[in-house]
This record gives sequence, structure tokens and C-alpha cells, in this order.
Amino acid sequence: KQEVTQIPAALSVPEGENLVLNCSFTDSAIYNLQWFRQDPGKGLTSLLLIQSSQREQTSGRLNASLDKSSGRSTLYIAASQPGDSATYLCAGALRGGGADGLTFGKGTHLIIQP
Amino acid sequence: DADVTQTPRNRITKTGKRIMLECSQTKGHDRMYWYRQDPGLGLRLIYYSFDVKDINKGEISDGYSVSRQAQAKFSLSLESAIPNQTALYFCATSDPRGPGANVLTFGAGSRLTVL
Repeated sequence: KQEVTQIPAALSVPEGENLVLNCSFTDSAIYNLQWFRQDPGKGLTSLLLIQSSQREQTSGRLNASLDKSSGRSTLYIAASQPGDSATYLCAGALRGGGADGLTFGKGTHLIIQP
Repeated sequence: DADVTQTPRNRITKTGKRIMLECSQTKGHDRMYWYRQDPGLGLRLIYYSFDVKDINKGEISDGYSVSRQAQAKFSLSLESAIPNQTALYFCATSDPRGPGANVLTFGAGSRLTVL
């Protein structure tokens, strides 16, 4: 069974800093890995999806990487802003890429200090 | 309007009551899912459906049932609610095809409290 771990559970940094959120998974036969953002009282918003054949994906100030051999993914946030404050979750998919095989981490709660 | 709409957004009920949470989507996706989120436990899959005639149990289906009334509608029922079903429930959709393949779209969540 795939296990997904996110460390740290919480992170607080000053505005403007670049930062990295970490996600590790136990099964290297990963099909894809998704990063989500969750704001308080709201649902999850998909940020980036990396297929197993890809090494990274970029969207604006966000860059996600995937290293299957080491069982790690990172989410890099450049020039952080207070609006980036949220909980960030990663989820790894095994068979077929469908959400039936998706395992979520518990998230990293990020606070960007103005 | 939201792509994935959940009703009700908040519900307080008593032990033993029957509760239905509803989900409707305008994404045109065949695949729909119900998750629950608990502090310290993350998101766990309750049930999922790959089309109207396909219903599957997830990791934690005991105490729950679902109905896929149409491609766009997927409801979750608690036949006899108990306090440990107090949680935040999310509906999600996905499509295995196209440029957004397998990207999950979530509803805003339904917060259920069972007293």
C-alpha cells in the first residue's frame, strides 16, 4: 500500500522567500503525483500533476518535481506572498492514475508572514 | 457557478438519523468520488464511481452507501449516523482522458457533525 508523507506539518516564512515543500512516497511504481492547495473551509484545488514519465511541471511561481527512484516530490514556491498561505497536500496515484488508487499526504500548513 | 457543487455545506444531526449529502457536477466527467477528511488522518476515499452503472467501495466504506443517479449526480448516505462520522466530506470528479487527465476537481465540502 502506498504511503505518502509530508514534512514539515507546518511552516512559517517571511514574505518574499523562496521555499520548498516535501513529499515522500513508498512505492516507486507511481503513476502520477498531484499537488493540491486547500484554503480554510474550502475544497482542494489542483495545482500541478506530474506524470511518472515527467521530471517536473511548472505553473507560474510554482514548480513541482518528481524523483521516482528516491520516492520524493517537491513543490517549489518562488517569491512567496501572503496569499500563498494555505495547506498544501500531495497525492500519489498507483494503478491507472485514477483516484481509486490515490493516496494523500496529511499536508503542510504554510503561513507566509507579511 | 462552481464546477462541483455539494449540498448541504453544513449539517448538524443526531446519532441514528439518516443523512444524505449530495454532489452535482458540470464538468461532464464520468468519474466521481466521495472522500472524508479528518484532522491528523488526511483524506480517505469512501466510495467511487467510474460511470452510472459502476460503484466501488473505497478504503472506508463501512457505514456509508452511495447512489449515482446520473452522470452529473453522486450522493452519499449515512443510514444511521454515529459521532465518529463527524468529518468534512468532499466530492470530487476526474476524467481519464484529455489534457487534464486524472486531475481531481473538488467541491467545497460538506461539514457534518453528529451529536
